Amino acid sequence: EDQVTQSPEALRLQEGESSSLNCSYTVSGLRGLFWYRQDPGKGPEFLFTLYSAGEEKEKERLKATLTKKESFLHITAPKPEDSATYLCAVLLPGTYKYIFGTGTRLKVLA
Amino acid sequence: DAGVTQSPTHLIKTRGQQVTLRCSPKSGHDTVSWYQQALGQGPQFIFQYYEEEERQRGNFPDRFSGHQFPNYSSELNVNALLLGDSALYLCASSLLENWEGAEKLFFGSGTQLSVL
Repeated sequence: EDQVTQSPEALRLQEGESSSLNCSYTVSGLRGLFWYRQDPGKGPEFLFTLYSAGEEKEKERLKATLTKKESFLHITAPKPEDSATYLCAVLLPGTYKYIFGTGTRLKVLA
Repeated sequence: DAGVTQSPTHLIKTRGQQVTLRCSPKSGHDTVSWYQQALGQGPQFIFQYYEEEERQRGNFPDRFSGHQFPNYSSELNVNALLLGDSALYLCASSLLENWEGAEKLFFGSGTQLSVL
């Protein structure tokens, strides 16, 4: 069964305390893995797309990496404004359907 | 450049009623997808519309239906509402010609539906 699993469910960090979020997937023939950020009461906002194992993308304090079975979102020296839910999604091959994980709720304390 | 807009932002209905949610895609986009997001969960795919036709559907009952208009805007209709339909309904737009490259989705802020 196609599945996306994110861990941890919730994470509390002190400002400046770096950490990583995990997204594991069981999908044959990955067409793309996406990371989104979602603030309360808002729709998800696109962060990164990764297509193949070994690929890395960076944006400010965020860095996304991809292996054959999982992706990591590394957050370096986070700030309180990085607090949000981070969602991982994969595009199923031969379809227009994205499967989302349940997200990691990140809280960065000042 | 206007992003994806949805209306209304909030809606309260009672069981058995019908509801219509509306979405205008990002300028230049021709494809609209609808997602349901329950509290504490990730978005779940309902269906996608392109060229005024439903191109793909997720695991949702026939009570969920939609429409796309010539200007690419879209509606989501839900009949015979159940308590379990309470959720944030998200509209996402994209551009078909980029799809083979695994197109990213642009989401609206959603409609929060509460069924009492």
